[in-house]
Amino acid sequence: GAVVSQHPSWVICKSGTSVKIECRSLDFQATTMFWYRQFPKQSLMLMATSNEGSKATYEQGVEKDKFLINHASLTLSTLTVTSAHPEDSSFYICSAYAPGQGEQYFGPGTRLTVT
Amino acid sequence: TQLLEQSPQFLSIQEGENLTVYCNSSSVFSSLQWYRQEPGEGPVLLVTVVTGGEVKKLKRLTFQFGDARKDSSLHITAAQPGDTGLYLCAGHSGGYNKLIFGAGTRLAVHP
Repeated sequence: GAVVSQHPSWVICKSGTSVKIECRSLDFQATTMFWYRQFPKQSLMLMATSNEGSKATYEQGVEKDKFLINHASLTLSTLTVTSAHPEDSSFYICSAYAPGQGEQYFGPGTRLTVT
Repeated sequence: TQLLEQSPQFLSIQEGENLTVYCNSSSVFSSLQWYRQEPGEGPVLLVTVVTGGEVKKLKRLTFQFGDARKDSSLHITAAQPGDTGLYLCAGHSGGYNKLIFGAGTRLAVHP
């Protein structure tokens, strides 16, 4: 099956610093990856769509200068939370679209805590 | 804007009971997916329904896609504590492969 990994699985950082989260498709090439944010006891909210080799498309209300997305290869997308604040604390989940199977496969998530 | 409404939001039942979770929209979706998510983990795909009226079974779970492809249901027979988790429906939004998620149903099955 298609496997998606995320690194780190959890991170604690101080307010004002930047944090990078990696999303990798391990056994397939993903032209499109998605980044979601999930607050406690809530559903997943799509933040942005990341296409390999082009600029990410952000959902309404998501600050593109704060959440920097880079999709440098067909197996790697990164999300950088810049100048993090406590309200950015959340569970960040990525998914990768497998064209051959027509499905999105989700990573295990990254728990970000900003102190 | 396409929206998916899930109900109920919370469900607490005893082991052995049956339950149904609903996912409704005013929009037509090319496909609907059901996921199960456990705390601290990413969602895991249970099933994808594509054809209006389609019924799929996965052991004690039965998934149905409405004839008009605007709604879906998940029925669990004889629920077990291992079924506890957050159940999410999600619809594919056109050809862009974006998924629109419902708010989720948090299921707790007590022994």
